[in-house]
Amino acid sequence: EAAVTQSPRSKVAVTGGKVTLSCHQTNNHDYMYWYRQDTGHGLRLIHYSYVADSTEKGDIPDGYKASRPSQENFSLILELASLSQTAVYFCASSDGGAKAETLYFGSGTRLTVL
Amino acid sequence: GEQVEQRPPHLSVREGDSAVITCTYTDPNSYYFFWYKQEPGASLQLLMKVFSSTEINEGQGFTVLLNKKDKRLSLNLTAAHPGDSAAYFCAVSAYTGGADRLTFGKGTQLIIQP
Repeated sequence: EAAVTQSPRSKVAVTGGKVTLSCHQTNNHDYMYWYRQDTGHGLRLIHYSYVADSTEKGDIPDGYKASRPSQENFSLILELASLSQTAVYFCASSDGGAKAETLYFGSGTRLTVL
Repeated sequence: GEQVEQRPPHLSVREGDSAVITCTYTDPNSYYFFWYKQEPGASLQLLMKVFSSTEINEGQGFTVLLNKKDKRLSLNLTAAHPGDSAAYFCAVSAYTGGADRLTFGKGTQLIIQP
């Protein structure tokens, strides 16, 4: 039973359009994260959150917003999608901070911006 | 900030052979080290984690060796089998520092040939 669920699994968006990626976790974890994965690159942190109604910038936040309306839900928002945002996006949760805790990942969302 | 270099990017070995993946990092304050496995089309799952200064961890047919003096982390597979075919990512975090984040290597695509 998947504890971190992402939706949609894949999406095609047009340049300049708005995209919202959703993540839901049932781990009762405080921390949630959004990463992007590009071919030939490791995962890069976009935004994270350690409490509801608060988000923090990661290493590559430009062009992305995040929303944490509840402990269970964490969204990634692309207000004006661009070609360079074509990637696979992973949501993850952890009990404590990522420094020392295991990350539990969702299955990923493949986003293609045309 | 932390820089993590992972080598090799691609590795092909025969079933039963050994394989070694290495990550070098730059931050001497790095304290937590992780290896994640990503099977084709799937999400990342924790393979192993190491927290100590010089430590060998074993499990699931893998050995992790950490050399803090050389700032090197290695994942050693002693006898490869087809189920080991996957992408492997190291991840490193510092014990101190304000931001709660890991730095991932770019990954190694491991292929096990029959």
